[in-house]
Amino acid sequence: QKEVEQDPGPLSVPEGAIVSLNCTYSNSAFQYFMWYRQYSRKGPELLMYTYSSGNKEDGRFTAQVDKSSKYISLFIRDSQPSDSATYLCASHNAGNNRKLIWGLGTSLAVNP
Amino acid sequence: NAGVTQTPKFQVLKTGQSMTLQCAQDMNHEYMSWYRQDPGMGLRLIHYSVGAGITDQGEVPNGYNVSRSTTEDFPLRLLSAAPSQTSVYFCASRGTGTDTQYFGPGTRLTVL
Repeated sequence: QKEVEQDPGPLSVPEGAIVSLNCTYSNSAFQYFMWYRQYSRKGPELLMYTYSSGNKEDGRFTAQVDKSSKYISLFIRDSQPSDSATYLCASHNAGNNRKLIWGLGTSLAVNP
Repeated sequence: NAGVTQTPKFQVLKTGQSMTLQCAQDMNHEYMSWYRQDPGMGLRLIHYSVGAGITDQGEVPNGYNVSRSTTEDFPLRLLSAAPSQTSVYFCASRGTGTDTQYFGPGTRLTVL
């Protein structure tokens, strides 16, 4: 079992839909949680960063961490075609040189 | 700032050939790493460095060498290319004590 599990999709939604992307993790020591966005043929870029449990909002994006269930979520409101990308979740536990443990990524297509 | 740069963008090798993938960053980041990204496998850490002169192995180091003689540069050497090394290679860097990794644009490598 991978330490961070993520359904690779693909996920296809109409423009304007609310998108929910999810990951689960197994290591209870993980404290730092990230979502990276990767456009086709580009490198990943950090989208959202959360420490411990709770919600973090940035514009149309909300990251949510539930440490009791080891569940990580990213919500996209009013999705746009420009949100079409692969979304990768990642986590670490501050030790071990903060090496990130990555999910496989979920491919999202937002259709106009 | 150019951020993280990688060369070449594309490369085709024959089995047994050697080559070096170049990576440079201009953000004075101490931490640099090399990943490979394959369908169904996600991002996998090959080697990483926590500063000039210090390198360590990641998850999939076999067949690759690295060195870090300066803060800016972190080349990845393929000693004797194999078809299993066909992949997209990403270099990334981050500052000490931070979690934001900055990725380069990637090198698409095909080994025939």
